[in-house]
Amino acid sequence: SAVISQKPSRDICQRGTSLTIQCQVDSQVTMMFWYRQQPGQSLTLIATANQGSEATYESGFVIDKFPISRPNLTFSTLTVSNMSPEDSSIYLCSASGTVKGGQYFGPGTRLTVT
Amino acid sequence: AQSVSQHNHHVILSEAASLELGCNYSYGGTVNLFWYVQYPGQHLQLLLKYFSGDPLVKGIKGFEAEFIKSKFSFNLRKPSVQWSDTAEYFCAVNAQGSARQLTFGSGTQLTVLP
Repeated sequence: SAVISQKPSRDICQRGTSLTIQCQVDSQVTMMFWYRQQPGQSLTLIATANQGSEATYESGFVIDKFPISRPNLTFSTLTVSNMSPEDSSIYLCSASGTVKGGQYFGPGTRLTVT
Repeated sequence: AQSVSQHNHHVILSEAASLELGCNYSYGGTVNLFWYVQYPGQHLQLLLKYFSGDPLVKGIKGFEAEFIKSKFSFNLRKPSVQWSDTAEYFCAVNAQGSARQLTFGSGTQLTVLP
């Protein structure tokens, strides 16, 4: 299994600003993903972070709002841009090394936008 | 597109009671199935997974799940719950042969009373 860390663990941000969340995996992984978990709800996939190319976004999520980088096989960042209170959520990074290995999740970043 | 239904939003049990949490999925192809657990204040952990073979899979902490293909179900069971099992439980699915993104159910909050 992979060990995943995220920074920051939580932040309180003002409307209109941006926050970049970092995700570090302790081993090289094939796939990395970013999810959002809004209060009291389940997880929703934002995008797949592709190494060396543009991320693949799910319906309802766009690159201008959630730019993602993945410069190598162990690291990715998600930026939440021009934040509004509706962006208040937990943002989770996950990674998968093999088809049968399952996905492993980071501890999440709890974002509050005021 | 895949979808996952968890019918019980909140389950309350006394210690030593038996547990069964329902999970049904909708997908036109063959799937991989997962149960994740999120203990209070902790991050998502993989409880167990099914890829192929024996439809009864055993996971950590005494949990097991049975894949019933004809019912599109993957119910989670534990014969005797403990107070420490209080957590939120998520069922998830992705397309077999893929390490790609997971589709999550809405989650079931389990409260075990001492």
